[in-house]
Amino acid sequence: DTGVSQDPRHKITKRGQNVTFRCDPISEHNRLYWYRQTLGQGPEFLTYFQNEAQLEKSRLLSDRFSAERPKGSFSTLEIQRTEQGDSAMYLCASTNSGNTIYFGEGSWLTVV
Amino acid sequence: KQEVTQIPAALSVPEGENLVLNCSFTDSAIYNLQWFRQDPGKGLTSLLLIQSSQREQTSGRLNASLDKSSGRSTLYIAASQPGDSATYLCAVSGEGGAQKLVFGQGTRLTINP
Repeated sequence: DTGVSQDPRHKITKRGQNVTFRCDPISEHNRLYWYRQTLGQGPEFLTYFQNEAQLEKSRLLSDRFSAERPKGSFSTLEIQRTEQGDSAMYLCASTNSGNTIYFGEGSWLTVV
Repeated sequence: KQEVTQIPAALSVPEGENLVLNCSFTDSAIYNLQWFRQDPGKGLTSLLLIQSSQREQTSGRLNASLDKSSGRSTLYIAASQPGDSATYLCAVSGEGGAQKLVFGQGTRLTINP
C-alpha cells in the first residue's frame, strides 16, 4: 500500500493550453474522487467514480473538464483551454465504501 | 445544500495547552464526519472518522465529538505540541455513504514553542 499517488505535482501552463493530471488510487479501493482546492479554502468536490463508472459530477465541472477511469484503476482529469481561474490544487482521493478516505498530495496548477 | 463552518479561522496558542476546534453543519442528515490535517502545500491526512451513529472517537491526544442533532462537532487536542501546527479541516458526507465530502474552510493552528 503506497497511498494515493498524483502526477505531476506541479504544472505551470499558459492560458488556453490543455493539461492532464493522473491519479493512482490505493489498489483495492473502488471509489475515486477528484476535489479542487484554492488558497485559504477547503476542498470542493468535482466528481467521483465507483470502479470505472463516473457516478456524479459537480456543477463546478464545466464542459472544459473531463475525467476518466477507464479500467477502474487509475484516473485522469483533463482541463481544456485553461483559464486563470483554473489555478488551484487538484486533489485525488480513494476509499472503500463508507471507510476512511485517503487523499493524495495534490497537483498544483498555475495558469499564466 | 449542506454548509460547513469552522470557528475560529486561525488560532495561536503556546505549547502544552489543551485546545478545542469547532465545526458546525447545517443539514443533520449526514453519513459520517471526518477531521483532517493539512500541512502547507500538502494533501489531507485523515485524523478521525465518526459515523453518524457514534458520539465520539479518540486517537492519541485527539478526541472528536459529534452532536448530529445540533449539527456540531469538536476536535479536542490535548497537550499541544509545535508539530501540531497545521490547518485542520472538518468534512461531512451525506446519507447514502457516497463519501462526497463537504468541507469547512479550516482552522489554521499555530503552536508556539
